[in-house]
Amino acid sequence: KNEVEQSPQNLTAQEGEFITINCSYSVGISALHWLQQHPGGGIVSLFMLSSGKKKHGRLIATINIQEKHSSLHITASHPRDSAVYICAVLNTGNQFYFGTGTSLTVIP
Amino acid sequence: ETGVTQTPRHLVMGMTNKKSLKCEQHLGHNAMYWYKQSAKKPLELMFVYNFKEQTENNSVPSRFSPECPNSSHLFLHLHTLQPEDSALYLCASSLLGPAGYNEQFFGPGTRLTVL
Repeated sequence: KNEVEQSPQNLTAQEGEFITINCSYSVGISALHWLQQHPGGGIVSLFMLSSGKKKHGRLIATINIQEKHSSLHITASHPRDSAVYICAVLNTGNQFYFGTGTSLTVIP
Repeated sequence: ETGVTQTPRHLVMGMTNKKSLKCEQHLGHNAMYWYKQSAKKPLELMFVYNFKEQTENNSVPSRFSPECPNSSHLFLHLHTLQPEDSALYLCASSLLGPAGYNEQFFGPGTRLTVL
């Protein structure tokens, strides 16, 4: 069993829809990262958070440390949001664990 | 432009070849990483260097040999690879501070095919 589980694995949405991607983890963490990977391979770090909530444009990330759960929300989704979203955690021993990713397709 | 560059972007090599992947960061970071990404699998962290010292080697076969001559450059030397080593190899860098590792910045990756 992977230390980091994401759901759903695949997601298709209509342009403008509100999207939620979930991440659950089983280890004690010092930080959680949300990464975005576009076709072609390049990865961009979207958020690093250890508590509460962060917002950047149409993207919102939340984390509940007690429940070991994080969500990534995209408001007013757009086709350019189509990518793979990866949840990664850094445990208290400075080790990284990665989810398998959620593949998002936003249809115009 | 993320400030982390990787060369080459694509590499095809035979099992008996020796090749090297190069990563360079222009962000003033003090930690660098090599990752392997195979199809349908999570990102796999291969090596971590802090201040040029290797701090993690996650059971990576010896046919992969990292080198970090300074905090801005990272190499991955490849020798007698297997076809199952074909994957996207990603380099990343970050700052390591008192509270641990900070946000990572990734390079575009090298798509490696081993014939």
